[in-house]
Amino acid sequence: QSVLTQPPSASGTPGQRVTIACSGSNSNIGSNIVNWYQQLPGTAPKLLIYNNNQRPSGVPDRFSGSKSGTSASLAISGLQSEDEADYYCATWDGSLNGHVFGTGTKVTVL
Amino acid sequence: EVQLLESGGGLVQPGGSLRLSCAASGFTFGTYDMSWVRQAPGKGLEWVASIGWSGVNKHYADSVKGQFTISRDNSKNTLYLQMNSLRAEDTAVYYCAKHWADWGQGTLVTVSS
Repeated sequence: QSVLTQPPSASGTPGQRVTIACSGSNSNIGSNIVNWYQQLPGTAPKLLIYNNNQRPSGVPDRFSGSKSGTSASLAISGLQSEDEADYYCATWDGSLNGHVFGTGTKVTVL
Repeated sequence: EVQLLESGGGLVQPGGSLRLSCAASGFTFGTYDMSWVRQAPGKGLEWVASIGWSGVNKHYADSVKGQFTISRDNSKNTLYLQMNSLRAEDTAVYYCAKHWADWGQGTLVTVSS
């Protein structure tokens, strides 16, 4: 069982805004930076957001990240069909002395 | 261009061993921390182990501690994962990752009799 909890699914119509929450604790999100990954079907994960809210080069500005206390969130605005994928949050956990991934959220474009 | 190419996966019987390799190119391998992450069929991502740039600092998930060993050879630009006493629950695609922007395509490990 992961220490980072995400909703199993989220959905929206093209153009809508979708938000995915990632809930943790003081030992992980509360004291470390959060990354977000996108995993398209059958492919390796891709870094989408790093350091809570930074986008790597090439990631559209439709994707944004934020963190507050022991929770983080990923927002996708202007949802597109190619955004259908699994999304994972991740951070370091000081109590476990290791990296942790969220449970994952499957985004469906209706 | 960063490239990470995993190899060494395959079918192994319960109790067996495998050594995974990850050949790196396109960056100065010896200056980056590296990790192994696995994904069981139909499941989420699970961090397995990490190693610091020098090879001194290592961290393991509780689920593999004492069973798996991460190592690296900076002269060969290669990351390794030695997996012993394999169990069915170790069946997964294993990815190597350069913290954390770049990932390999993964290698499948199947533990079955």
